[in-house]
Amino acid sequence: EDKVVQSPLSLVVHEGDTVTLNCSYEVTNFRSLLWYKQEKKAPTFLFMLTSSGIEKKSGRLSSILDKKELFSILNITATQTGDSAVYLCAVTIGGRDDMRFGAGTRLTVKP
Amino acid sequence: EAQVTQNPRYLITVTGKKLTVTCSQNMNHEYMSWYRQDPGLGLRQIYYSMNVEVTDKGDVPEGYKVSRKEKRNFPLILESPSPNQTSLYFCASSLRRPRQSSYNEQFFGPGTRLTVL
Repeated sequence: EDKVVQSPLSLVVHEGDTVTLNCSYEVTNFRSLLWYKQEKKAPTFLFMLTSSGIEKKSGRLSSILDKKELFSILNITATQTGDSAVYLCAVTIGGRDDMRFGAGTRLTVKP
Repeated sequence: EAQVTQNPRYLITVTGKKLTVTCSQNMNHEYMSWYRQDPGLGLRQIYYSMNVEVTDKGDVPEGYKVSRKEKRNFPLILESPSPNQTSLYFCASSLRRPRQSSYNEQFFGPGTRLTVL
């Protein structure tokens, strides 16, 4: 059965800390992995990763994929209270049109 | 403004009373999808549609129906809602299908919070 597992499920840090969120997957015929940020409403897109070892970066956020070890990490440096959210990862699978999401990591950044 | 809209945003209903949650996108997207989000379970896909008149079951389709008669609309129908369908529902759309090499991200609607008593 296809699985996407995120860890930790929740995390509390202080402003200025650096955090690393994990997403591991077990799917047949992996195609791509996507990260989303969900504040109090709809998820918004952060990154899509298809190739191993190539870092995607946007400001203080970055992400990388390891297709050999079947995981991705999302790094947030110098965290701010505005980074508080649930971070979701999702996987697409070759030859299929369904999407698999992980349960999410709830990040709380305290002032 | 490019967007995905859902209606209603909040709904409280009773067991067995048929309801429809509408979803519409104005981006000419090919792919549309419905998810439910429950605490600790993340987003689970209910149904998706690859194009007009083409739909398929996701992970948790039981108790739901969908239709895609027009490209822009993808309503979610609960013929006989039950309390275990109390959840937060999201509609999403993307220009291409996930299996395509040109696939990009999905855009999500604002969510519909459904309570079934």
